Amino acid sequence: SQQGEEDPQALSIQEGENATMNCSYKTSINNLQWYRQNSGRGLVHLILIRSNEREKHSGRLRVTLDTSKKSSSLLITASRAADTASYFCARSYNNNDMRFGAGTRLTVKP
Amino acid sequence: NAGVMQNPRHLVRRRGQEARLRCSPMKGHSHVYWYRQLPEEGLKFMVYLQKENIIDESGMPKERFSAEFPKEGPSILRIQQVVRGDSAAYFCASSTSGGLDEQYFGPGTRLTVT
Repeated sequence: SQQGEEDPQALSIQEGENATMNCSYKTSINNLQWYRQNSGRGLVHLILIRSNEREKHSGRLRVTLDTSKKSSSLLITASRAADTASYFCARSYNNNDMRFGAGTRLTVKP
Repeated sequence: NAGVMQNPRHLVRRRGQEARLRCSPMKGHSHVYWYRQLPEEGLKFMVYLQKENIIDESGMPKERFSAEFPKEGPSILRIQQVVRGDSAAYFCASSTSGGLDEQYFGPGTRLTVT
């Protein structure tokens, strides 16, 4: 399967801790994007990282990409209860195709 | 900019009826994507359209499902003769160009087939 995997499937942490989610893929990508989905809502775009980039930051979010390992990670620092959501990585293989994994369900306890 | 609009937000249909889901892309976006999300699963690509053209429908079931993006008006995802297994959330996304750019998602339409 081209989709690869996300792990962990579920993550529960205390407010203030850091949360790390990982995403792997099997064939070369053009870019990889991370999205957040709050329960019952649509997706919100977080960060796009291109295949020639290694790291990007946005506020408390940090995304890394290791093309040799075909993996990416999303780090949320100093987590808040409002960060509770599902996080999806989407792998873009060509102009027409973006594949999502099953996501990581993050719970941040106050 | 109003963002990607989808309606209805919730749709209930009996088995055998037709479901029509609408998606208005963000202003200036001419590329529309449809995704389906089954309960407890990730999103799955269905179809990619530009104005008046289907570019890639490799993720769309061969029967009962169709999509269009006319010159004027929203993109429509149409499901004929719905079955219980069609119950899912259907998300539309738009972008300014193909998959190298960010896709902006709508709030989704939750279809329930009874």
